[in-house]
Amino acid sequence: AQSVTQLDSQVPVFEEAPVELRCNYSSSVSVYLFWYVQYPNQGLQLLLKYLSGSTLVKGINGFEAEFNKSQTSFHLRKPSVHISDTAEYFCAVSLPQGAQKLVFGQGTRLTINP
Amino acid sequence: NAGVMQNPRHLVRRRGQEARLRCSPMKGHSHVYWYRQLPEEGLKFMVYLQKENIIDESGMPKERFSAEFPKEGPSILRIQQVVRGDSAAYFCASSSRLAASYNEQFFGPGTRLTVL
Repeated sequence: AQSVTQLDSQVPVFEEAPVELRCNYSSSVSVYLFWYVQYPNQGLQLLLKYLSGSTLVKGINGFEAEFNKSQTSFHLRKPSVHISDTAEYFCAVSLPQGAQKLVFGQGTRLTINP
Repeated sequence: NAGVMQNPRHLVRRRGQEARLRCSPMKGHSHVYWYRQLPEEGLKFMVYLQKENIIDESGMPKERFSAEFPKEGPSILRIQQVVRGDSAAYFCASSSRLAASYNEQFFGPGTRLTVL
């Protein structure tokens, strides 16, 4: 079975500062990896995904993530955050084959202070 | 192209009543997933359906919960005899056959169920 751990439940940062949201996973087989963002009272929106190939993945809104197989990590980064990035961020994994459920981490609440 | 639609957005039920949550997938999507988000927690998979078939219900509680995705109409998640512990946000996600091949799922806005 797969599991996901997001190491920080809350991350406060100042506007225009860089941010890293940490995600570690556990799996006995290879996985697909995802980051989703959830704005207040909304559904989840896909930020980026890693399926295979280059370990550095670029997503929407200036976010990127790096897959590190040896450390079983998939940390999300943004070099300069904006107030509008305030949201809950979820890391998720699935088996590397079609039509599979997503296994989510507990979420990290990113708060951007002016 | 409208996104995934869920209704109602908010639902209040008293203990013992039934809750019916509806999900209309994106146009052309034939794969539907239901997830539950308890307060302060991540989303937990409940069930995966394709038209008229339940593919994976490994996350569904054994009693009181059922799901369907008929040939015509929305997918329905039904909770009978609700209890306070059922209070949560229920999210539906859908995929096309192509997107499902790499597990990209598109989420609806959720239904927030409150059991009094």
